[in-house]
Amino acid sequence: DAEITQSPRHKITETGRQVTLACHQTWNHNNMFWYRQDLGHGLRLIHYSYGVQDTNKGEVSDGYSVSRSNTEDLPLTLESAASSQTSVYFCASSFYRDGLNTEAFFGQGTRLTVV
Amino acid sequence: AQSVSQHNHHVILSEAASLELGCNYSYGGTVNLFWYVQYPGQHLQLLLKYFSGDPLVKGIKGFEAEFIKSKFSFNLRKPSVQWSDTAEYFCAVIPSGGSYIPTFGRGTSLIVHP
Repeated sequence: DAEITQSPRHKITETGRQVTLACHQTWNHNNMFWYRQDLGHGLRLIHYSYGVQDTNKGEVSDGYSVSRSNTEDLPLTLESAASSQTSVYFCASSFYRDGLNTEAFFGQGTRLTVV
Repeated sequence: AQSVSQHNHHVILSEAASLELGCNYSYGGTVNLFWYVQYPGQHLQLLLKYFSGDPLVKGIKGFEAEFIKSKFSFNLRKPSVQWSDTAEYFCAVIPSGGSYIPTFGRGTSLIVHP
């Protein structure tokens, strides 16, 4: 079955370190998204991609970067981790073509703690 | 840019009570609408979706939602909740023919007492 997987599921890192969260989907979806989930804020969009070599900033992109070198993967990098980036991170993907799109499918999430 | 409002942030019910969670969106064009559920410690799962056609949409686990275009609303309902419905519920909007970016509401935490 097609799926979307995130790794690691849990990560503890120190302030100032670079951290990369992996996201891999086998749906062959062209759209991929990264969200962070914080109490009282719901899901906020960090970055998104419409396809290979395409990346775009979301509403809370400061301190984060992504790259899309193939259809399946959209790794999220925290350039210099800060305590404010302690959160649960969700990767999602969806498909669109010719004006039609699917719902977003979510990974299991990565709980990141910055100490 | 579109936005989504969920008016009920916390809802507490007893088993067998009826549920209605409100969702309003702001976007001038055609939209696709979704409700997701997140059980404790898990990822978001799709409950139901609306793309076009009958504005009354039935989803999994006895949930349904009604799209009222004139009110920009997509409220979630269930006639009789169960303890296992305890979860966080998110309404989401994707502009059709636009950015295709899902925008989520802040979520509603539902606690069902046995």
